[in-house]
Parts: sequence; structure tokens; C-alpha cells
Amino acid sequence: GAGVSQSPSNKVTEKGKDVELRCDPISGHTALYWYRQSLGQGLEFLIYFQGNSAPDKSGLPSDRFSAERTGGSVSTLTIQRTQQEDSAVYLCASSPPDRGAFFGQGTRLTVV
Amino acid sequence: EDQVTQSPEALRLQEGESSSLNCSYTVSGLRGLFWYRQDPGKGPEFLFTLYSAGEEKEKERLKATLTKKESFLHITAPKPEDSATYLCAVQFSGGSYIPTFGRGTSLIVHP
Repeated sequence: GAGVSQSPSNKVTEKGKDVELRCDPISGHTALYWYRQSLGQGLEFLIYFQGNSAPDKSGLPSDRFSAERTGGSVSTLTIQRTQQEDSAVYLCASSPPDRGAFFGQGTRLTVV
Repeated sequence: EDQVTQSPEALRLQEGESSSLNCSYTVSGLRGLFWYRQDPGKGPEFLFTLYSAGEEKEKERLKATLTKKESFLHITAPKPEDSATYLCAVQFSGGSYIPTFGRGTSLIVHP
């Protein structure tokens, strides 16, 4: 596709359940980012992938959060044992190095 | 600590009333500065990249400028459809490519 695609667009889950969020970046973009945006808050960095290098996980808020990127393309963000404070919009972006990133439309996660 | 601050937090303009949004940063070195537009319920839309002091970029009614410590997004004769949150992000030098975002300026343009 022409842009960054994220799925699902909305996810409602029960507290304690695991969720998987998917990101399809723009073809050829070597960098992939996950950010989180809570209501009225700025974008909070979570994790960064660049090519085949080890990911920068410095933004992950707890060990319940993990992410992988298969074949340098699709990425999955997994949140285990979800908590209510995990409710937010999760945004994925991709870019060539040293260029502005292009964002997907986000996944709105609601933990009830 | 490297930081990005945007001001004002919110701005209300009348249609046609030009103004500027500010993005200031404290950095040990700048790799790049990015401006985005975000509409409610959508992901940020990329607008501009600036790399060095004195650089300017334009798109329709928007012009972004960069100095050593801040960037401005100038909006000339805005229209209601320019209403959105404008985000600034800075990529710091020193090894990390991860852009740090400001909290944004919420712009409302009244007809």
C-alpha cells in the first residue's frame, strides 16, 4: 500500500488479557517506530527498529510490552496482561534514516 | 536532557489572521526537526523536515523556519480547514534516530 497500515483500528479488551497490534510500514522504509498517545498527551516513544540492528527498547514502559519486526517489514506490538493505564492510541511510523516519519492511523486500545 | 517545547498550547484565530507557532529545543546537537499536522482521531501527517539554521520550507499557507534554538511554523491567512494540532519533533545528534515530540499546539481557525 501507499501508506503505513495499522490493525486493528480499534481494540477493546478486558483487563489481564494479552493484545497484539500490527503495523505494515511503507515498503523500503528501514526505520520503524512505535509511539503511544494518551488523551491530551504528547507522543510517547516506545520502541525503534532500524534495519537488521538490535531494536531500541528504551521507551517500553514495562516488561509486559514487547515488539518484533519480521523480515525487516511487518511489526507486531504485544501487550501482556493489559492494565487500564495501557488504554491509549498506539501509533506506528516508518521512515528512511534521517527523514521525517510517516504515521499510520493508529490503534485505539481500550482496556475495560 | 534534550527537550522539545511548543508554544502556545492552544491558539484561536479568525480566518485570515496570520500567526506563528513556536517549537524550541535544548539539544547537544540537532540532526533534524520535523513538523506534523494531526487531525482528531488520525495519525500525524508529515509536513516538513528542516536540517540547518536558516533553512525554510513552504507548503500552501504554511512556512517553517529554523534557527539554532527554535523553529517557527508561520500560518498565512489561515482557513478553517487549517484547524488541527501541530506537532514538532526533533531528532538529536549523538547516535539516536528517535524523534522526540513536543506536546503540540492546538489551532482553531474560526470562519
